[in-house]
Amino acid sequence: GQQLNQSPQSMFIQEGEDVSMNCTSSSIFNTWLWYKQDPGEGPVLLIALYKAGELTSNGRLTAQFGITRKDSFLNISASIPSDVGIYFCAGKDSGGGADGLTFGKGTHLIIQP
Amino acid sequence: NAGVMQNPRHLVRRRGQEARLRCSPMKGHSHVYWYRQLPEEGLKFMVYLQKENIIDESGMPKERFSAEFPKEGPSILRIQQVVRGDSAAYFCASSPQEKRGTQYFGPGTRLLVL
Repeated sequence: GQQLNQSPQSMFIQEGEDVSMNCTSSSIFNTWLWYKQDPGEGPVLLIALYKAGELTSNGRLTAQFGITRKDSFLNISASIPSDVGIYFCAGKDSGGGADGLTFGKGTHLIIQP
Repeated sequence: NAGVMQNPRHLVRRRGQEARLRCSPMKGHSHVYWYRQLPEEGLKFMVYLQKENIIDESGMPKERFSAEFPKEGPSILRIQQVVRGDSAAYFCASSPQEKRGTQYFGPGTRLLVL
């Protein structure tokens, strides 16, 4: 089946630093999504990408849909305490596969005082 | 503009009991998806439904699990004869017709089987 490799697994950074995380897949996706999940809550959609090469921003967040359609990255600039949480990438199959999203295992973002 | 709603938020069941989880999609969304999340893991797709139809249940366990999305009312995920391994967070998502890849999630139901 499809697999998403998300890295890094966790990040320990100082407030104000920039953050970068990425996902690679074993197969092609036609949609990439980035979510943030806080403890005890559901994932919140941050950015959705629909075209290979697409670069999209949402405030301090920027994400890109890789040209090969097998990877995506998320950057967070000038991190602040409320950025703490778990970030998930998710992809939607391009062919006749399952209609659900395939998720990475998440990147835990921890901001040190 | 209410988002995806799920209830209950927390559910405790003893082994052998039934669990019923409910989900109301965002207004205007006709597609509903159920996912399961184990601790320290990403979400795993279970089933995709439209009104009165199961479209894709490739991620659903073959036994004890069922889902429906009736013409009126919320979508229901039903787990019969629960076992301890069913303890997890269950999330519902919905999407609009024109962008089915863009899914918005509810707050989840945390199921604990004693």
